[in-house]
Amino acid sequence: DIQMTQSPSSLSASVGDRVTITCRASQGISNYLAWFQQKPGKAPKSLIYGASSLQSGVPSKFSGSGSGTDFTLTISSLQPEDFATYYCQQYNTYPLTFGGGTRVEIK
Amino acid sequence: EVQLLESGGGLVQPGGSLRLSCAASGFTFSRYAMSWVRQAPGEGLEWVSVIIGSGDTTYYADSVKGRFTISRDNSRNTLFLQMNSLRAEDTAVYYCAKGSSSSWFQTDFDYWGQGTLVTVSS
Repeated sequence: DIQMTQSPSSLSASVGDRVTITCRASQGISNYLAWFQQKPGKAPKSLIYGASSLQSGVPSKFSGSGSGTDFTLTISSLQPEDFATYYCQQYNTYPLTFGGGTRVEIK
Repeated sequence: EVQLLESGGGLVQPGGSLRLSCAASGFTFSRYAMSWVRQAPGEGLEWVSVIIGSGDTTYYADSVKGRFTISRDNSRNTLFLQMNSLRAEDTAVYYCAKGSSSSWFQTDFDYWGQGTLVTVSS
C-alpha cells in the first residue's frame, strides 16, 4: 500500500497568513493526488485534483503543486472560513490512501 | 445539483450486520464509480470500497474484505454497503463519494455525502 505522510500535523496561523502543507507519498504517484478540506462535524470537501487543478467553485487562494512523491497545498491568504483540517489522498493505485491530516488553527 | 444522502447507520452489537444506503441525484448515476470512505471518531479518513458504474467490478480495503459487500442499483440511483461480522473498530462515520469520471481507475472524488454514523458496541 502507498503511505501518505502529511506535515505538519497541526499549525497555528493568523488571518492573512500564507500557509503551506506538505504531503509525501511512499512511492511515485505521478500527479494522482487530491486535497480535501474538512470542518468539524462536516463531510470532506474536494479542493484540488491532479495535484494542481481546482475543483469547480473552489477559490483561487488555494493552490497545489508537485508530482511524483512530493506535493504541497498552499493557502495564499488565510481567512476565518479556512480554519479546518486538510487531507491529501493518492488515487494512483488501490487501495486509495489518505494522509493523516493537517489541522489549521487560529493563532 | 449533485446530492448524495446516506442512511442506515445506527448502533449494532459486535458480530452483527448493517446495510448502508446512499441515494444519489443530480447526475447520471450509472456512469460513475462510487466509493465508501469511513472516519472513526477523532481519526482520519479511510477508504473502504469502490464499485464501477456497471456494478461488475468491486475492490475492498483489506480491513473489510470478506465482511463488507458493496453494490448498487442503477435503476434506483442507490449505492449500498452490506456490513457483516461487525467489530468495534468498524465504528465510524461512513461517507459515500462520487468518482469524477466514468473510469474507476485513477479517478478522484468530486462529491461527498454528509455521512451516516455506525456504532458497534455491546
